[in-house]
Amino acid sequence: AQRVTQPEKLLSVFKGAPVELKCNYSYSGSPELFWYVQYSRQRLQLLLRHISRESIKGFTADLNKGETSFHLKKPFAQEEDSAMYYCALRRSQGNLIFGKGTKLSVKP
Amino acid sequence: GAGVSQSPSNKVTEKGKDVELRCDPISGHTALYWYRQSLGQGLEFLIYFQGNSAPDKSGLPSDRFSAERTGGSVSTLTIQRTQQEDSAVYLCASSSSGFQETQYFGPGTRLLVL
Repeated sequence: AQRVTQPEKLLSVFKGAPVELKCNYSYSGSPELFWYVQYSRQRLQLLLRHISRESIKGFTADLNKGETSFHLKKPFAQEEDSAMYYCALRRSQGNLIFGKGTKLSVKP
Repeated sequence: GAGVSQSPSNKVTEKGKDVELRCDPISGHTALYWYRQSLGQGLEFLIYFQGNSAPDKSGLPSDRFSAERTGGSVSTLTIQRTQQEDSAVYLCASSSSGFQETQYFGPGTRLLVL
């Protein structure tokens, strides 16, 4: 079965601390993975995708096929990073399968 | 340019009534997706359109749910005989040509069934 698991519902860190949001997936094919973010009162938006291998707002994510993971990392969290983060996997038909999301709270 | 828009932004209805939710994709986008965001369930896929046809309806939870798209643009999601468990935020997304392209999301319609 195709599945995306985000084990943490809530992650709370202090400003300046490193942050890692975990994502594991189950998919029989070649996965295409994404991180989406939803800031308070804003729409869901793409943060990054694994094929781009880019860093957005200081966040990076590496696809680890051996561990079937796509964890999102940032070395120094900022208060403006507080948001809901969703890991997603794209199926061959194009639609996305989302994890249940992790709420990141960055405290001052 | 304008992003994906959805209307209404909020809808309160009584159990058993029918509701229609509308999505206006980004102009020129041929692919359109509907998702549902429920408390405790996260985001779940409902249906996908490529142009006016829906090759994947696998996510529709019951036959009370239907969707159509006309003119390759606007889409309407209809829920008949609404139930309380239908209460959720319904999100629409569009992408320029389909599978490989980034999906851009609308602000959602918050549906509350009393």
